[in-house]
Amino acid sequence: GEDVEQSLFLSVREGDSSVINCTYTDSSSTYLYWYKQEPGAGLQLLTYIFSNMDMKQDQRLTVLLNKKDKHLSLRIADTQTGDSAIYFCAERWGGKLIFGQGTELSVKP
Amino acid sequence: DVKVTQSSRYLVKRTGEKVFLECVQDMDHENMFWYRQDPGLGLRLIYFSYDVKMKEKGDIPEGYSVSREKKERFSLILESASTNQTSMYLCASSLAPSTGPRGTEAFFGQGTRLTVV
Repeated sequence: GEDVEQSLFLSVREGDSSVINCTYTDSSSTYLYWYKQEPGAGLQLLTYIFSNMDMKQDQRLTVLLNKKDKHLSLRIADTQTGDSAIYFCAERWGGKLIFGQGTELSVKP
Repeated sequence: DVKVTQSSRYLVKRTGEKVFLECVQDMDHENMFWYRQDPGLGLRLIYFSYDVKMKEKGDIPEGYSVSREKKERFSLILESASTNQTSMYLCASSLAPSTGPRGTEAFFGQGTRLTVV
C-alpha cells in the first residue's frame, strides 16, 4: 500500500530554523499536506502543496517538494517554543489521507 | 468553525467489554474517518465512511466495526476490547472528494485515549 515516512524526533534551539522531512511512495498524489498536533489535541492543517508546485511559502513556513525523489520538507523559520509539537506529513490517495509517523519537534530556549 | 466532537477524552475499559466511541461533526461533511495513533506508528486508518450507512475498511479494521446511521455521527465499536487496542483514537471529517485540496482537508476531534485493562 501507500507509505509515508518521517523521522521521529527533531530538536532545535529557539530562533533557529527547523526542517522536517518526509518521503512518500505514491507518485500520483495530487496534494501533500502538513498537519500539526499540539499536546493533548487533535491534528490541525498547517499548509498543503499541489504536486505541480516546487515550493510554497506561508509566513514562517516554507514547503519544498521534490517530486522526482518523492521528498517533501517543511521549514519553519525563527522557530519558537510554541512550535513544539508533532508534525505529520500526509499524501492524498483517492479520498483518503495517508499519514506519516509524525516528527516530534522540541524547541529549546 | 468546523467542530468535530468525540464523546470522551479518556476511557478505561476491561478486556472483553464492548466499547463504543462516538464522534459528531457539525459541518455537514460527507466523509468521516477513524484513526488510531500510536507512538512511532503515526496515524493508521481503521475505517472510513463516504456516506450514511456506507463504510469501508481502512488499513487495520480487525477487531473493530463502525456505524453511520446519520450523516453527522460516526461510531467506532470494539466488539471485545483487548489490551492491544489501548491507544489514542482520532475521529476526522472532510468534504466529499473534489479536485481541490479542500476536498480532503481533514478536521480532527481532540481524541479519545482508551486504556484496556
